Formats: sequence, C-alpha cells, structure tokens
Amino acid sequence: GAVVSQHPSRVICKSGTSVKIECRSLDFQATTMFWYRQFPKQSLMLMATSNEGSKATYEQGVEKDKFLINHASLTLSTLTVTSAHPEDSSFYICSAREVTHETQYFGPGTRLLVL
Amino acid sequence: KQEVTQIPAALSVPEGENLVLNCSFTDSAIYNLQWFRQDPGKGLTSLLLIQSSQREQTSGRLNASLDKSSGRSTLYIAASQPGDSATYLCASTGNQFYFGTGTSLTVIP
Repeated sequence: GAVVSQHPSRVICKSGTSVKIECRSLDFQATTMFWYRQFPKQSLMLMATSNEGSKATYEQGVEKDKFLINHASLTLSTLTVTSAHPEDSSFYICSAREVTHETQYFGPGTRLLVL
Repeated sequence: KQEVTQIPAALSVPEGENLVLNCSFTDSAIYNLQWFRQDPGKGLTSLLLIQSSQREQTSGRLNASLDKSSGRSTLYIAASQPGDSATYLCASTGNQFYFGTGTSLTVIP
C-alpha cells in the first residue's frame, strides 16, 4: 500500500528554537495533507489542512504564525514549530490524501520534546 | 511491525440498527487503541481512546472494547443514524501510529 514517511521520528530541542518536520508521500501524489498533534493520554487533534500550492487552513485555536505549514509539492509538506516552548512538546502526525482515490494514508508520527 | 486490519471494508445498514466494527492487530504490546471517524474531504475526528490497561470506553452511543490477548478491538454503535455515515479507522498508537484501512459505513434513512 501507499506509504507516508515523516522525518525526524523523534527530536529534542531547546526552548526558543525552531523545528521542522517533514511529511512525504513516497509512492503517490497528495494534493492535500493533514497535520495532527496528540498530547500525552489525549486524543489526536487536527491542527491544519494543507493543499499543494496554497495556504494552509488552520483549525480554531491553532496559531498559524507559530506552526508554519508549507506544501510546496505533491509529495512533501513541512510543519515548522517556531520558537518552540515546552508546552509544544507533543506527538505530531501527518496524513496524505491520494489524488486519484481520495484515500488517506498516515505517517508514523514525530515525537517532539522541547526542553 | 504492527499490522492493523479492519473488517468489513464497507458496511451499509438501515437507520436504527446496532452495529459492530472490528479491528485486529498483530502485536499485543500496544500503548493505546484509538478509534477515529473520517468524513469525506475532512481530517480525522477522534472518537474513543482505550489505554493499554483499560478494557473499554464509552461515549454516547459509542462503545469501544479492547482485548489485547486476542489482538482485537470492536466499536459498537447503537441506534445508528444517517449522520453516522463516515469512514471509521482504528489505530494502535504509541511511539508510532499504525492505522487500519478503515470501514466505510453508510446508514440508510
């Protein structure tokens, strides 16, 4: 089946730094990618929907200037957590929706720890 | 590697019926088992999360159970409604997420 990768799988950074997370669809094209985060022992929350070549649509309560999303190609979307703080520590997961079949495939996730 | 399977792939029921969606996983050493709903053109909506030490969770008309020893989870939907029509996904979650392929549910008015 289709594969979505995320890089890095785990990252530890200092407070105030920025972290970029990549989401790639390896063997299919995705016009739409979704970004989620999950805090410990809580459910997965949709952060934003990104469409290739256009601005991302953010869910209510998600700061677009803090969580920068770029969907520059049909196989790559990036999420940059700017000026990260300890409360941004979370599990971030992306998914990619295939162009032809509209099936959505999920990445394995990135665990971010901000010290 | 964890493998998650969902049966059936598609299900169509008349309104008012009770129904069960099945999810099986190969590695019983899971951290959490989550059920999600996905509406067409939308992202995921989390429905229920069952932690490894728990056996079931309930929310409204939804009840999810977890049997780690047999590698199975079920999502029970009571008194189904047309608004329940969506794709339902289960996922084994922990250090990584492993999603099933989903069950597409249609509830006929």
